[in-house]
Amino acid sequence: DIQMTQSPSSLSASIGDRVTITCRASQTLNEYLNWYQQKSGKVPKLLIYGASRLQSGVPSRFSGSGSGTDFTLTISSMQPEDFATYYCQQSYSTPYTFGQGTKLEIK
Amino acid sequence: EVELVESGGGLVQPGGSLRLSCDASGFTFGSYSMTWVRQAPGKGLEWVSYSSSTGAPYYADSVKGRFTISRDNAKNSLYLQMNSLRAEDTAVYYCVREAGSCATTSCSHYYYYLDVWGQGTAVTVSS
Repeated sequence: DIQMTQSPSSLSASIGDRVTITCRASQTLNEYLNWYQQKSGKVPKLLIYGASRLQSGVPSRFSGSGSGTDFTLTISSMQPEDFATYYCQQSYSTPYTFGQGTKLEIK
Repeated sequence: EVELVESGGGLVQPGGSLRLSCDASGFTFGSYSMTWVRQAPGKGLEWVSYSSSTGAPYYADSVKGRFTISRDNAKNSLYLQMNSLRAEDTAVYYCVREAGSCATTSCSHYYYYLDVWGQGTAVTVSS
């Protein structure tokens, strides 16, 4: 199985900050990497698919980049509604494993 | 409106069984692959099982041999039969639609992602 490792596990940020989360795969994924946001007590929401493709309706302050084994999710300017837990997921081969999550908290 | 509604969760003793159901509406269910994802209390997301549109199943190693995924495209329903349940199976189980977008101009490859999630059904395995 492909192992997904996110860093950091948690991060404190202020409104307006630029934030970057990293996801590393144990083997190459090409660009088969997705990002999800989960707010406390809510259902996960797709943000990015194919490493850099923004899901319809997702604000443009979210962006993804990377290919191969190293990927990043960037929030260009943190908004109050962005404080949540973020997960990467590989869709290169089954099982489509998730990273352990990165919790973004208010500084 | 596209919607997934899970049911069938509850409290079960270790070694017991449960059958989860997921009723889909608002889209052509038979055209989509479907996935079960679970989340243990306070933990992250875990991909559990997948059914292709034609019913081909895949399982995480943690549930292989104990869980069985199935679907009834005529009823727009997805199921997860869970046997030999363990305490570590305690989680909220989400039914999720898998969508795909062309990754190449010829559509020889697709990007797959989980785009519609149900609200989840809670399973607790405890004596």
